[in-house]
Amino acid sequence: EIVMTQSPATLSVSPGERATLSCRASQSVSSNLAWYQQKSGQAPRLLIYGASTRATGIPARFSGSGSGTEFTLTISSLQSEDFAVYYCQQYNNWPYTFGQGTKLEIK
Amino acid sequence: QVQLQQSGPGLVKPSQTLSLTCAISGDSVSSNSAAWNWIRQSPSRGLEWLGRTYFRSKWYNDYAISVKSRITINPDTSKNQFSLQLNSVTPEDTAVYYCARVARGTYDLWGQGTLVTVSS
Repeated sequence: EIVMTQSPATLSVSPGERATLSCRASQSVSSNLAWYQQKSGQAPRLLIYGASTRATGIPARFSGSGSGTEFTLTISSLQSEDFAVYYCQQYNNWPYTFGQGTKLEIK
Repeated sequence: QVQLQQSGPGLVKPSQTLSLTCAISGDSVSSNSAAWNWIRQSPSRGLEWLGRTYFRSKWYNDYAISVKSRITINPDTSKNQFSLQLNSVTPEDTAVYYCARVARGTYDLWGQGTLVTVSS
């Protein structure tokens, strides 16, 4: 089973600034990597798939990069609605696995 | 609009069976390009995939090793839904349970979640 490790566990950023979240896979997952956003009391929402492709309706301020074992989610200018928990998920190998999440909080 | 609507009790007694249903609208449980999953979330375990059912000329099921001896996921084509049964529950099974669709590897559609508490 591939282990996904996210860092940091908590990230404090001011509105309007850039946030960079990291995800590392225990072995290569090629570009089969997705990012999800989860707000309090809600289900996760798909943001990015294929490591860098935004899902339908996702604003352009969200971008993903990386391949193999190292991935990054960047939010270019944080809006108030972006403060949430973010998860990465690999779908290269079965079973698909999630990271433990990064909480993005207001500084 | 594609939606998943969960239903089922929020309180289950220890040693009993947890039962949840996920009704699908806008897609088909018999789709040849989707898989229908149950995932749970708790502070101690994070997002934990439990199992899936999918149709590729015949029905298939896969289950997580951690619950394999206790879980059953069944499709219901007449109602276009699928269900989760988890037997012999303990307080460690307390979590928010989600149904979710996988298409092309990603969980692109989720139910609203059901908090299930295991307590006497």
